[in-house]
Amino acid sequence: KAGVTQTPRYLIKTRGQQVTLSCSPISGHRSVSWYQQTPGQGLQFLFEYFSETQRNKGNFPGRFSGRQFSNSRSEMNVSTLELGDSALYLCASSLGTGESEKLFFGSGTQLSVL
Amino acid sequence: AQSVSQHNHHVILSEAASLELGCNYSYGGTVNLFWYVQYPGQHLQLLLKYFSGDPLVKGIKGFEAEFIKSKFSFNLRKPSVQWSDTAEYFCAVTPLGGTYKYIFGTGTRLKVLA
Repeated sequence: KAGVTQTPRYLIKTRGQQVTLSCSPISGHRSVSWYQQTPGQGLQFLFEYFSETQRNKGNFPGRFSGRQFSNSRSEMNVSTLELGDSALYLCASSLGTGESEKLFFGSGTQLSVL
Repeated sequence: AQSVSQHNHHVILSEAASLELGCNYSYGGTVNLFWYVQYPGQHLQLLLKYFSGDPLVKGIKGFEAEFIKSKFSFNLRKPSVQWSDTAEYFCAVTPLGGTYKYIFGTGTRLKVLA
């Protein structure tokens, strides 16, 4: 069974640009959640999608948005990039039917904003 | 605000030493509790979880954790660490009630000296 796939693996952007990251969950998983990982901050929850609906979101500005498609693939968009957005962005998938479920993580997209 | 605290940011141990990593959370309601581990070059993966029942839970590779509700703690332990336990460890909680909001701690980097 293929794992969670995130593309691209690395991205370099400049301030003010926008970026779209993609996440393909494990087959059969309907929940996708996104996290920003930075040294010293750990993983910070961005949002969670289930069956194309956002069920919750973290405390990030509106520049961070996401969506989920009918095949459960998810995209995350960051507009008007700032230097502080440089981070590893992780997505995780699960069945989405219970909050005690195990999350399966991808390798992440390393975003560098110059 | 809901939060997870991991007080040890960096831990260095010699092989065969005992390990205890602290995790405290702030939330007044019922939660699910998790420890995830990220080995060098690998994805984040679940080490163990607690959602109900016996507060002492056992995970993979000889790890265990104890949920102490009165202390809002979920400390991770291992009686004798190995060089291969070198990794970053993250504590996480999800408040029950359909929030699907995953709150992670800042992580603890463990280095085990051979």
